[in-house]
Amino acid sequence: DVKVTQSSRYLVKRTGEKVFLECVQDMDHENMFWYRQDPGLGLRLIYFSYDVKMKEKGDIPEGYSVSREKKERFSLILESASTNQTSMYLCASSRPNLMNTEAFFGQGTRLTVV
Amino acid sequence: DQQVKQNSPSLSVQEGRISILNCDYTNSMFDYFLWYKKYPAEGPTFLISISSIKDKNEDGRFTVFLNKSAKHLSLHIVPSQPGDSAVYFCAAILTSGTYKYIFGTGTRLKVLA
Repeated sequence: DVKVTQSSRYLVKRTGEKVFLECVQDMDHENMFWYRQDPGLGLRLIYFSYDVKMKEKGDIPEGYSVSREKKERFSLILESASTNQTSMYLCASSRPNLMNTEAFFGQGTRLTVV
Repeated sequence: DQQVKQNSPSLSVQEGRISILNCDYTNSMFDYFLWYKKYPAEGPTFLISISSIKDKNEDGRFTVFLNKSAKHLSLHIVPSQPGDSAVYFCAAILTSGTYKYIFGTGTRLKVLA
């Protein structure tokens, strides 16, 4: 069974802390993504990676960085957490081919920055 | 600039009736579209997709229609069930590029028993 696992369901962090959100997939997918979901704004792409050590900025990369040292793991880093980064964070992975275009999501991490 | 738009933030439908969720896009180069369903505190799950070379795709109670000239797609759920109550997102991808998924803002569907 396909699986994308995010390390935490709920996190509470203080303003200014460095925060790591981890995501692991077991499907040998090339592509991995980080989104955040906010009411009325839908899912907005923060960063994505199409191969190990390769990354591209999404629509809202400011205040975030990412790391992909291994194919199965994609980490999102909040360099200095701020209250406007309180959100639901969603990791996804996919294999870029026309036969099956589905992206698989993790269960999400609800991050609260206080 | 929002490339994928869902203009109805919410929709209420009676159980057994048809639910129609709409999605508009601006980039004519998108060549694949997907619908996802999301329950609170869970990740989105894939429902159904359609290639831009088709105008309809069916899977059980779910049918997606694509009108390329209008840059519009819709998801029909027939018959609607209370368990369908969730937030629905449409997404578009460019398969000639890096398969980046662009999502809409979502429509919250409530199916009334």
